[in-house]
Formats: sequence, C-alpha cells, structure tokens
Amino acid sequence: KNEVEQSPQNLTAQEGEFITINCSYSVGISALHWLQQHPGGGIVSLFMLSSGKKKHGRLIATINIQEKHSSLHITASHPRDSAVYICAALKSGNTPLVFGKGTRLSVIA
Amino acid sequence: DVKVTQSSRYLVKRTGEKVFLECVQDMDHENMFWYRQDPGLGLRLIYFSYDVKMKEKGDIPEGYSVSREKKERFSLILESASTNQTSMYLCASTLVPDTQYFGPGTRLTVL
Repeated sequence: KNEVEQSPQNLTAQEGEFITINCSYSVGISALHWLQQHPGGGIVSLFMLSSGKKKHGRLIATINIQEKHSSLHITASHPRDSAVYICAALKSGNTPLVFGKGTRLSVIA
Repeated sequence: DVKVTQSSRYLVKRTGEKVFLECVQDMDHENMFWYRQDPGLGLRLIYFSYDVKMKEKGDIPEGYSVSREKKERFSLILESASTNQTSMYLCASTLVPDTQYFGPGTRLTVL
C-alpha cells in the first residue's frame, strides 16, 4: 500500500463546479505539499502546509494532522484548472517527498 | 525568478547508448532530485543529492547513476539505455524542507 493515497484518480467537472481532491497518508509528516502539473509536463508548487488551511485565489488546501488527511478545493472551477494535481508528504526534516499518484482533473466548459 | 532548467525537452536514443540528462538551478539550493514519471505510477525518485559530490539512492536507482560536481548542476546518467527507461524525467531542487522547484522535464524515448 502506498504511503500517500489520492482520490479520485480521475475527475471530470463542469465549469463553475466546486471541486475537492483528497489525500490520505499513513506516515508521520512534517508538511504536505500540493503540486499542479499541466499538459506538457511542468510541475508547480501550489501549497506547503503543516496545519490548518491555506488559500490562494480560488484554491484552498486544508490538512487534518490527527486524521492524516488533506484536501485541495477549487472554487468556481474553470477549464484552465484542468491539470494533474499531486499531493506529496514530507516525512521529516531533510528527506525526499513521498508522492501520491496524482488526480487528473478535466473541467469542461 | 527562480529557475530550474533541463538540457533537452525531447530526446531519442538507441538501446545501449550512454545518455546524459543535465539539470541546472540558479537558486543556490543544496538539495537536488531526479524523478521519472510514468502513467499510472506517478513520480518516482531515482537519485537525490544534498550537497556537492554527495548522492543518495532513491526508490529506483537501478540502471542510473548521477554526478554533482558543482552545486548548481545535477546530472543523471543512463549507462546503457534500455527501452524500459523510456519515460519523462524531471529534475527538482529545494532549499531544506521548502517548496520544490521543478524543471520542465525531458521526455526520453529509447528505441
């Protein structure tokens, strides 16, 4: 079983819908990252969080340390949000990230 | 603006060839990473480095080696390319446990 699990694997939404992507992890972590990968390959970091909630524009990331669960929400989704969203756990200090397999999101106009 | 660059976006090589993939970052980061990404498998760590001349094996190091002679440059070497090494290769760098910055990726095809 992977240490970091994401759901759903694929998601199709209509423009304007509220979207939630889930990430569960089975190890102790010091932080959790959410990343976005557009077609063409480039990956950008969206959030790094270790507690509570962070917001950037229409994106909101939350984490519940006790439940070992994080969510990425997209409000008022738009076709340009179509991408693969990846969560990754930082176990401790200076160790490599452990990645989920990603959620492929398609937003249809 | 921070930048991680990779030597090629697309590369086609023949089985048995020696392949060099180069990654350069301009952020003075200590930590650099090489990943491969395959459909359904996600990002998998090949090798990483926390300092010059230092390297650590990741989850799938077999068939690969790395070189870090300068802080800004981290090279991935396929000693004898095989078809199962056809993949997207991504380099990343970070300063301690902070945001990871990724390069644009190299799509390698081994024929």
